Amino acid sequence: EIVLTQSPGTLSLSPGERAALSCRASQPIISKYLGWYQQKPGQAPRLLIYDVSSRATGIPDRFRGSGSGTDFTLTISRLEPEDFAVYYCHQYGTSPWTFGQGTMVEIK
Amino acid sequence: EVQLVQSGAEVKKPGESLKISCKGSAYLFSNYWIGWVRQMPEKGLEWMGIINPVDSDTRYSPSFQGQVTISVDKSINTAYLQWSRLKASDSAMYYCARHGEMLIGDRWGQGTLVTVSS
Repeated sequence: EIVLTQSPGTLSLSPGERAALSCRASQPIISKYLGWYQQKPGQAPRLLIYDVSSRATGIPDRFRGSGSGTDFTLTISRLEPEDFAVYYCHQYGTSPWTFGQGTMVEIK
Repeated sequence: EVQLVQSGAEVKKPGESLKISCKGSAYLFSNYWIGWVRQMPEKGLEWMGIINPVDSDTRYSPSFQGQVTISVDKSINTAYLQWSRLKASDSAMYYCARHGEMLIGDRWGQGTLVTVSS
């Protein structure tokens, strides 16, 4: 199975700062099938990005996905108070589909 | 509004059986596969498997194959996740999600908390 390793485990930043979250795959991701979810405490995950760089419906353009092969990044250009949460990368190109272990973005 | 509504929290004893549900509304249910994801307390997301409501074609993660059963009743727009003999280690939040042309789960249920304790 494809193992997704996210870094850092925790990112401590202030509102207005830029966040860069990394996701590295143990083997190349097929057909750009890499996405990102945001999860807040007590809530279900919310889809942010699919197919590496496509924003889901209603997702603001401060969220940007990029990358290829085995290295992917989610960038949040300017953190808003509501962006402090846990973020998971997810590959859905090779069965079994897998998730990264998550990156927590916390208020510094 | 598209919704996936899951059944309520469950408290069970080890060895008991359980079936939880996920009902889709406000979209064409047969056009979207339904997937299940486990989240153990204070842990990350684990993909369990996925089912096609049209023909019940089901794919399981090897980690969950033989441990759970995923099924669907398309006549009532509902998918199920089932255990025949629960273990304490099955205690977790379980989410369903719909998967369409994008493949990735774009809408999720609110989650069902399963607690297994003697």
